Amino acid sequence: GAVVSQHPSRVICKSGTSVKIECRSLDFQATTMFWYRQFPKKSLMLMATSNEGSKATYEQGVEKDKFLINHASLTLSTLTVTSAHPEDSSFYICSARGVQGYGYTFGSGTRLTVV
Amino acid sequence: QKEVEQDPGPLSVPEGAIVSLNCTYSNSAFQYFMWYRQYSRKGPELLMYTYSSGNKEDGRFTAQVDKSSKYISLFIRDSQPSDSATYLCAMSSDSGAGSYQLTFGKGTKLSVIP
Repeated sequence: GAVVSQHPSRVICKSGTSVKIECRSLDFQATTMFWYRQFPKKSLMLMATSNEGSKATYEQGVEKDKFLINHASLTLSTLTVTSAHPEDSSFYICSARGVQGYGYTFGSGTRLTVV
Repeated sequence: QKEVEQDPGPLSVPEGAIVSLNCTYSNSAFQYFMWYRQYSRKGPELLMYTYSSGNKEDGRFTAQVDKSSKYISLFIRDSQPSDSATYLCAMSSDSGAGSYQLTFGKGTKLSVIP
């Protein structure tokens, strides 16, 4: 089946630094990537949607200058949290959708802790 | 009213029990319905996917959709300790050609006690 590899699984960074999270579709071409944020006991919150080669579409309230999304190829999308602050600490999950069929395959998530 | 309502639980059942998980929604445009299972500190994995109203069975799992009531269910028969996880319902109005996002419930945390 379709596999999405997300790295790193866990990262701790200092306040003010930037962190990059990668998602790769291993055996299919991901025409669309979704980036979610998940708080404890809360539902997944969509942050942005990106189509390969296009600028990402951000949801209301998500700072596009803070959460930089790049989807330069059909198999790779990255989320960069710039100038991270403790309130950015969360679980970030990507999801990829391929051309064929109806499938949203999720990455394994990244636990970000900003200290 | 939130678009998707799901009782967060936690729900605790003995091994072998039948588990019923439910979601209600308000957007009548939703026509694709999914159930995801999420283990702690992992990404969600797709369990069941149904289109429009009806039932779908896959092993011990049965998904039901009642669009007239805007109500979906996931049943787990002969529950096992390995079923212990958070179950998220998700739905979309995507026609299949677009890239509409999923709308998730909050998730129900299930514990199956041996």
